[in-house]
Amino acid sequence: DADVTQTPRNRITKTGKRIMLECSQTKGHDRMYWYRQDPGLGLRLIYYSFDVKDINKGEISDGYSVSRQAQAKFSLSLESAIPNQTALYFCATSGVNNQPQHFGDGTRLSIL
Amino acid sequence: GQQLNQSPQSMFIQEGEDVSMNCTSSSIFNTWLWYKQEPGEGPVLLIALYKAGELTSNGRLTAQFGITRKDSFLNISASIPSDVGIYFCAGQRNAGNNRKLIWGLGTSLGVNP
Repeated sequence: DADVTQTPRNRITKTGKRIMLECSQTKGHDRMYWYRQDPGLGLRLIYYSFDVKDINKGEISDGYSVSRQAQAKFSLSLESAIPNQTALYFCATSGVNNQPQHFGDGTRLSIL
Repeated sequence: GQQLNQSPQSMFIQEGEDVSMNCTSSSIFNTWLWYKQEPGEGPVLLIALYKAGELTSNGRLTAQFGITRKDSFLNISASIPSDVGIYFCAGQRNAGNNRKLIWGLGTSLGVNP
């Protein structure tokens, strides 16, 4: 079983819809992250959380919100989706100090 | 946002050849990480480097933490078709609670059997 699980794996929706992407982990890590990946732009950080009561904006947080429901769960919401939010979205987790991040397999989101 | 300079952007080689790619930055990092991403999957950690000058191997892969702490190199020896993918470098500073990674844009590797 995957240590970092993202659902759904694929989603097609329309402009203006509210979308929620889910991430759950069994690694026992405190730190969780949401990235988006676009061709030629690499991985860009949207939001991150170092524990259940901690939420921080990344470099491209506008148009997104997150919720850290529990240590193991971190969800990303698009309140009113727009076409330029079409991308591949990744959740990642890491332990304390400088332990590396571990990634889920991604959610491919298309907004028409 | 800040990004690392990763090169080459892409390369296509013959099976059996050795491959080198690198990342450079104008800033110092305390940790360098190398990941590989295959289609339909998330990045997978290959090698983590924590000390300037450190040279670490993982099978046919070898990575080095530059002595200036501003660069890192990844070498793949005797390439095989399953090495195909996008390789990303990432740097991290350990200043306070700032554990965010700074990412390169990736090196796309193709291997001709």
